[in-house]
Amino acid sequence: AQSVTQPDIHITVSEGASLELRCNYSYGATPYLFWYVQSPGQGLQLLLKYFSGDTLVQGIKGFEAEFKRSQSSFNLRKPSVHWSDAAEYFCAVGPYSSASKIIFGSGTRLSIRP
Amino acid sequence: DSGVTQTPKHLITATGQRVTLRCSPRSGDLSVYWYQQSLDQGLQFLIHYYNGEERAKGNILERFSAQQFPDLHSELNLSSLELGDSALYFCASSGGIGAGSGEQYFGPGTRLTVT
Repeated sequence: AQSVTQPDIHITVSEGASLELRCNYSYGATPYLFWYVQSPGQGLQLLLKYFSGDTLVQGIKGFEAEFKRSQSSFNLRKPSVHWSDAAEYFCAVGPYSSASKIIFGSGTRLSIRP
Repeated sequence: DSGVTQTPKHLITATGQRVTLRCSPRSGDLSVYWYQQSLDQGLQFLIHYYNGEERAKGNILERFSAQQFPDLHSELNLSSLELGDSALYFCASSGGIGAGSGEQYFGPGTRLTVT
């Protein structure tokens, strides 16, 4: 079965500290992977996406993610977080051919400690 | 601002009632997707329209229906509402059909509360 797991429901990090949000997926074919961010009261915004090529993907707002096929993971990282990064982060996986088949993870809520 | 607009922002209604949620996609986008976000179910895909035609259905209840009009705006109709239908409903748009054809742009959502 296809699935996306975000094992951390809530993470708190200090401002200026590094961040890594975990995402593991189970997908039968070549996955198209995404990270979205949802700020309070807002819709989802795409941070980055990966289908092929360099396994380290750069996104907006200083985020990056690394695709590791052997570990079925697509973890999101940021070297130094800012208070404005406090939000809910969603990992998603789907086929390249159909956006309607994208599966979203349950999300990780990020809090920033001043 | 994603360019996707949704109205209304909030909606409070009673069980058994019917409501209509409206979505205007980004200028030029032909695809509209509807999602439901609730605490217990997470983000669930409901339905996809492309240029006026239904292209895919997800976990959409029979009490729910949608359509996309010639001007490409879309409406999601929810009827015989139940308490469990309380959720955030998002609309997203993209230029094409496939995930690879472009990213999805999400609207700010409509928060539906059924009392």
